[in-house]
Amino acid sequence: DIQMTQTPSSMPASLGERVTISCRASQGISNYLNWYQQKPDGTIKPLIYYTSNLQSGVPSRFSGSGSGTDYSLTISSLEPEDFAMYYCQQYDSSPTFGGGTKLELK
Amino acid sequence: QVQLKESGPGLVQPSQTLSLTCTVSGFSLTSNSVHWVRQPPGKGLEWVGAIWSGGSTDYNSALKSRLSISRDTSKSQVFLKMNSLQTEDTAIYFCTRGLDYGCFDYWGQGVMVTVSS
Repeated sequence: DIQMTQTPSSMPASLGERVTISCRASQGISNYLNWYQQKPDGTIKPLIYYTSNLQSGVPSRFSGSGSGTDYSLTISSLEPEDFAMYYCQQYDSSPTFGGGTKLELK
Repeated sequence: QVQLKESGPGLVQPSQTLSLTCTVSGFSLTSNSVHWVRQPPGKGLEWVGAIWSGGSTDYNSALKSRLSISRDTSKSQVFLKMNSLQTEDTAIYFCTRGLDYGCFDYWGQGVMVTVSS
């Protein structure tokens, strides 16, 4: 199975700050990389699919990039509702998720 | 409006079988795949398995020997059965709709399953 290493595991940040979360696959995944946000109530929302495509309704401050084994999610200017857990997920083979990043208010 | 809703027992005894149902609306099971994903308390997400629009299934290799996913298209329901449950199977179980690129776009609220005697 492909392992996904997500960093950092937690990130304190301030409102308006630009942040980047990274995800590294144990082998190349041909851009089959998606990002999700999970709120404290457990609700899961898709953000980005196929590395860099924004899901419908997701604000443009979210963006994704990467290739090969290395991928990233960037939030250009943090809003209050962005403080949550974030997960990457690959689908080049059987799906696997990264360990998650907790984005916390500094 | 696409919706998915999980249902099932909240408590299962060790070594017993878990049976969960995912009832969907707003789309057809013959048009989209449905996946199960679980999340142990305080931990990350783990893909469990899927049933594809054509009816074939795929399972997490670590769970494959204990797992079965099926469906009833007339009732818009997907079923998960996992046997020989252990405490490590305690988790919130989500069902979610699968799209191209392996993206999961709509998720159920999840159902908490506790394995305990």
